Amino acid sequence: SYVLTQPPSLSVAPGQTAKISCGGLDIGRKNVHWYQHKSGQAPALLSDVLSDRPSGLPERFFNSNSGNTATLTIARVEAGDEADYYCQVWDSQTDHWVFGGGTKVTVL
Amino acid sequence: QIRLVQSGVEVKKPGDSVTVSCVTSGYNFANYDINWVRQAPGQGLEWMGWVSGYNGHTQYAQDFQDRIAMTTDTSTRTATMELRSLKSDDTAVYYCARAPNSITPFDNWGQGVLVTVSS
Repeated sequence: SYVLTQPPSLSVAPGQTAKISCGGLDIGRKNVHWYQHKSGQAPALLSDVLSDRPSGLPERFFNSNSGNTATLTIARVEAGDEADYYCQVWDSQTDHWVFGGGTKVTVL
Repeated sequence: QIRLVQSGVEVKKPGDSVTVSCVTSGYNFANYDINWVRQAPGQGLEWMGWVSGYNGHTQYAQDFQDRIAMTTDTSTRTATMELRSLKSDDTAVYYCARAPNSITPFDNWGQGVLVTVSS
């Protein structure tokens, strides 16, 4: 089955840039979706399958995908960005959705 | 306003079954699938499967195939997930989430339901 690999955690100072990676075999050929999951809340979709820019979110969030790595970039990090972030792809080989293990972003 | 409202907390014993419901409003129920995702304590998100709001067709994750059932009731705009033969490691928060079809991401989620399995 298809595997997505994310770093478990990432710490970043306010105002700095956070880059969250999501590794998978030839992931650049897939549509990658990102979710933000804050404590005590339901996950929220960040990325739009049709574009590289998340819809409905500040322009501080960017999505890129090439080769074996997709990356969610959060520019000018704010305290409110503290959350777990998950990547997700559709695995057409198994007709299953696959989530990465999640990255906990801590704002220092 | 799109809403997915899930049923309340459940406490079960090993071997029991649990049924979690997801009552929807604010959109055309038949135009979307309902996915089920769970998160065990300290763990990540795990996709369990989807059910079509249009015709009730299902696709289950391999890990749950032999003990899960997902259904819909279009008259009440409700999706239901039943998980059987519960084990302690089924303790998790269970979410429903809608998607336009089986290969598009989940744009609205329920609030989640904690299911605790303990003897």
